[in-house]
Amino acid sequence: EAGVAQSPRYKIIEKRQSVAFWCNPISGHATLYWYQQILGQGPKLLIQFQNNGVVDDSQLPKDRFSAERLKGVDSTLKIQPAKLEDSAVYLCASSLDGQVWEQYFGPGTRLTVT
Amino acid sequence: GENVEQHPSTLSVQEGDSAVIKCTYSDSASNYFPWYKQELGKGPQLIIDIRSNVGEKKDQRIAVTLNKTAKHFSLHITETQPEDSAVYFCAASMDFGNEKLTFGTGTRLTIIP
Repeated sequence: EAGVAQSPRYKIIEKRQSVAFWCNPISGHATLYWYQQILGQGPKLLIQFQNNGVVDDSQLPKDRFSAERLKGVDSTLKIQPAKLEDSAVYLCASSLDGQVWEQYFGPGTRLTVT
Repeated sequence: GENVEQHPSTLSVQEGDSAVIKCTYSDSASNYFPWYKQELGKGPQLIIDIRSNVGEKKDQRIAVTLNKTAKHFSLHITETQPEDSAVYFCAASMDFGNEKLTFGTGTRLTIIP
């Protein structure tokens, strides 16, 4: 079974530029999560989708971050404009139907904002 | 909301010795406590979990204990091997659908050959 795929794996941008990350969840998984993992910290949930609807985006900085999952499969996370403090690893995870005990994580995208 | 604290932040042990990582949580409603292992360049991988209706769970060299009264849980790794070197995260949640995992800050475990 293929795992969660993410791209790109690394990205370096200057502050105030925009960036987008892509995630392809495990086939058949209805729930998709985006996490932000700042160096030396645990992952923090940014947004959770159930199919193409948003379940929880309470910790998403909506003035600069946006995410979509238009067809209930792939998802993109965008940052515009980026700030220095956005430097982090962005992890995508998926689960079959929202079960916290069955979240599978992708390898992440490491973003460096200079 | 839930707050999870994890100690120590770094831990070095000789190969073959045991390692213990401890976490405390704040929300008494939490009843699901997973542990994740994150290797360099990879996403976190679930290695063991425990629910509040049990006090201990073992899987080969890994065990987790839970004290609900004190609101703390621990990961125990026995007979450590070099491949155990990684960052370990604890987390807490309720085990209903669509609940949120709150992670600890991580422990970097280094096994010294």
